[in-house]
Amino acid sequence: DAKTTQPTSMDCAEGRAANLPCNHSTISGNEYVYWYRQIHSQGPQYIIHGLKNNETNEMASLIITEDRKSSTLILPHATLRDTAVYYCIVISLGTGTASKLTFGTGTRLQVTL
Amino acid sequence: GAGVSQSPRYKVAKRGQDVALRCDPISGHVSLFWYQQALGQGPEFLTYFQNEAQLDKSGLPSDRFFAERPEGSVSTLKIQRTQQEDSAVYLCASSLFEISYEQYFGPGTRLTVT
Repeated sequence: DAKTTQPTSMDCAEGRAANLPCNHSTISGNEYVYWYRQIHSQGPQYIIHGLKNNETNEMASLIITEDRKSSTLILPHATLRDTAVYYCIVISLGTGTASKLTFGTGTRLQVTL
Repeated sequence: GAGVSQSPRYKVAKRGQDVALRCDPISGHVSLFWYQQALGQGPEFLTYFQNEAQLDKSGLPSDRFFAERPEGSVSTLKIQRTQQEDSAVYLCASSLFEISYEQYFGPGTRLTVT
């Protein structure tokens, strides 16, 4: 699976959009980009995933560049409850017998008043 | 609906003791995973079950770690002769399908070995 690079930490004011970048310059054509987040003292939570088209759900939007070498997770109106560590994971579907997730160290997003 | 539950939430063990950590996955979920999370790090894969079959145990750090899921639902992670380096949060996750990267995680068990 392709390696990802994320900033260690970011701040965002409550009510503003939080844009979390992820670099995956070695991604290959059949690899998806998945995002999870982990709120303090909780287990990780699935947010969204995509292959090459932009995706949106009730939690967030995922923007993937045309060359697929990077992506941005957008939380349109961040709240204090969005303070968490956000993990960007690149996954090759259909390989192996276990769909194990390989987390990095993620981006610690702090939402402030 | 009920999510993934784990017990105990916190466990303190003296070095050398055996511990057993329980995971109750979401009912009907085929796949079950165990992950280990050290302080300040992301979770790391330990082992995977598809129903009652343990198909991947490549992440178990030593033969002191043993996991089972005998009836394809509840799973137990056992650590024998605990060492200080076993101190971590142990996370369980389940998913509906055999191959699924949309996994539902429990709150974890924080193990502290003294």
